[in-house]
Amino acid sequence: QVQLQESGPGLIKPSETLSLTCAISGFSISSGFYWGWIRQSPGRGLEWIGNIYHSGDTYYNPALKSRATISVDTSKNQFSLRLSSVTAADTAVYYCARLMAFITRGSWFDPWGQGTLVTVSS
Amino acid sequence: EIVLTQSPGTLSLSPGERATLSCRASQSVASNSLVWYQQKPGQAPRLLIYGASSRATGIPDRFSGSGSGTDFTLTISRLEPEDFAVYYCQHYGNSLFTFGPGTKVHIK
Repeated sequence: QVQLQESGPGLIKPSETLSLTCAISGFSISSGFYWGWIRQSPGRGLEWIGNIYHSGDTYYNPALKSRATISVDTSKNQFSLRLSSVTAADTAVYYCARLMAFITRGSWFDPWGQGTLVTVSS
Repeated sequence: EIVLTQSPGTLSLSPGERATLSCRASQSVASNSLVWYQQKPGQAPRLLIYGASSRATGIPDRFSGSGSGTDFTLTISRLEPEDFAVYYCQHYGNSLFTFGPGTKVHIK
């Protein structure tokens, strides 16, 4: 059973860089699939940030592309998110998830991690 | 960019009643690009429906999805107590994922 667990600081200051890690258990990240980050806040709802493949191939939401970097560490079976120059608007629950993508059936995220709240405040 | 609109924002129903939730896309989308999730307080979203009408593994058959073009519907035939939650639709296209604002189904 695939499980994902987010970790990282719960409080960061404006202008700093948010760093989160998603540890995967029950599945080898090198076996395939893209893996993604999604965030949720009362003001913005659910917002997709970006996805990464075990090879390191990435694609991002254009709205966040200039500030977001997703990387993968296959030796630790995990992937990470860095979001630079944060403001209060980046306060959200951050989720990691596996992307299920099929040509005929479409694309969706399943499963998701439990999420981690990141607050941006001085 | 496809914008998803969900209606109603809130639905007040009693257990045993039928729930009909709408997701409208700002332009026509492929049916296989439309997904539905359920989210309960303090939990991550849970996949319900993919490809507009296919139930995910383990999802009860009281949940059904339908629609095409710009208009999609999630129907819960008879609400169980555990179904009171927020429901989101999601679209994928042109390398971009977008989510609707959600419909909250709460107990009347």
